[in-house]
Amino acid sequence: AQSVSQHNHHVILSEAASLELGCNYSYGGTVNLFWYVQYPGQHLQLLLKYFSGDPLVKGIKGFEAEFIKSKFSFNLRKPSVQWSDTAEYFCAVNADTGNQFYFGTGTSLTVIP
Amino acid sequence: DAGITQSPRHKVTETGTPVTLRCHQTENHRYMYWYRQDPGHGLRLIHYSYGVKDTDKGEVSDGYSVSRSKTEDFLLTLESATSSQTSVYFCAINTPGQGALNTEAFFGQGTRLTVV
Repeated sequence: AQSVSQHNHHVILSEAASLELGCNYSYGGTVNLFWYVQYPGQHLQLLLKYFSGDPLVKGIKGFEAEFIKSKFSFNLRKPSVQWSDTAEYFCAVNADTGNQFYFGTGTSLTVIP
Repeated sequence: DAGITQSPRHKVTETGTPVTLRCHQTENHRYMYWYRQDPGHGLRLIHYSYGVKDTDKGEVSDGYSVSRSKTEDFLLTLESATSSQTSVYFCAINTPGQGALNTEAFFGQGTRLTVV
């Protein structure tokens, strides 16, 4: 089975700081990659996705992620975080082997005003 | 939200009792999933379904069963609830893609289950 690793479990930033959250996956075949966000008390919502093409993907709310195939990575970035970005962030992978998503353990982001 | 409704949203139950959670979707998606979310573990797949009466086990299926008698409903049953099954349960659907790829997952609002 595929696995997804998120290196940062808890991140605390001040507003306007830059953000980068790491995500690595284990599968060597064709993958789709996702970042989901979960605001406190809510369900997971799609932040951005990569299917194919340009490895730099832009999502909602100023987030972007870069797929680096040679590093099996899909790191999430935002140049300037806001207090409203406080949430939990999940990286996910869907591989060509089956209709299952594999999720990382999540990164809790706290943005201090 | 892909028309996904989970019920109940909150439930407290006693150890040893059976519990059924319901996931209802309005958009006729083929694939439906049940996950549990626990601190430090992220989302773990319990069971999934790829059509009416077609289900399969996920990573953490012990103690759970599922049924899908209609396309729109996917039921998760805890046969005899234990405290270790205290968790937040999410239902999800996958949109149609190209084979296994180019699909997105959409989630329901979640059910917070407490087993006392």
